[in-house]
Amino acid sequence: ILNVEQSPQSLHVQEGDSTNFTCSFPSSNFYALHWYRWETAKSPEALFVMTLNGDEKKKGRISATLNTKEGYSYLYIKGSQPEDSATYLCASFTQGGSEKLVFGKGTKLTVNP
Amino acid sequence: DAGITQSPRHKVTETGTPVTLRCHQTENHRYMYWYRQDPGHGLRLIHYSYGVKDTDKGEVSDGYSVSRSKTEDFLLTLESATSSQTSVYFCAISEYPGQVVPYEQYFGPGTRLTVT
Repeated sequence: ILNVEQSPQSLHVQEGDSTNFTCSFPSSNFYALHWYRWETAKSPEALFVMTLNGDEKKKGRISATLNTKEGYSYLYIKGSQPEDSATYLCASFTQGGSEKLVFGKGTKLTVNP
Repeated sequence: DAGITQSPRHKVTETGTPVTLRCHQTENHRYMYWYRQDPGHGLRLIHYSYGVKDTDKGEVSDGYSVSRSKTEDFLLTLESATSSQTSVYFCAISEYPGQVVPYEQYFGPGTRLTVT
């Protein structure tokens, strides 16, 4: 089983702050890295899927980068808003294995107004 | 939203009773997954399916079985429920690789199961 690690475990920021969190994953046999946003009492929703080293994806104020050689991805939120409060999950998918994602435990973000 | 439904949405059952949860999709996606969500553990894979009658175990498969007799339905069965199986269960689906977004997963609304 892969170990996908996320840090920090939780984060409290003020409205307007920019923030970032880290996902680390084994770099061998890498295929894809997923980011999901999970609001309380809802289902996880996909934010980004990245496959290439150096990939950068952006959706509004949220962006992500990928380094497959060293096995990490960063998620950035610019100018955090209270509605950004959620748990952010990353998950890694490897080549040659079975068709399943391995999820990290998530970073819980709370944005205070 | 992807067409994924789960039933029941809430269930309370007693220890030792069998329980079956159903996941139904209208997207014709090949892959279907069952996860459980527990505090401090995030999402953990129970079982998944890569086609009709094709299933495999995840990291927390003990005490669970699955069946997929049709593309659209993936059933999760707890043969004899235990209190440790109290959790929120999520079903997810994903598309075959080669599509625009490889293996992006779409999640159902979840089923909250309480075993007393």
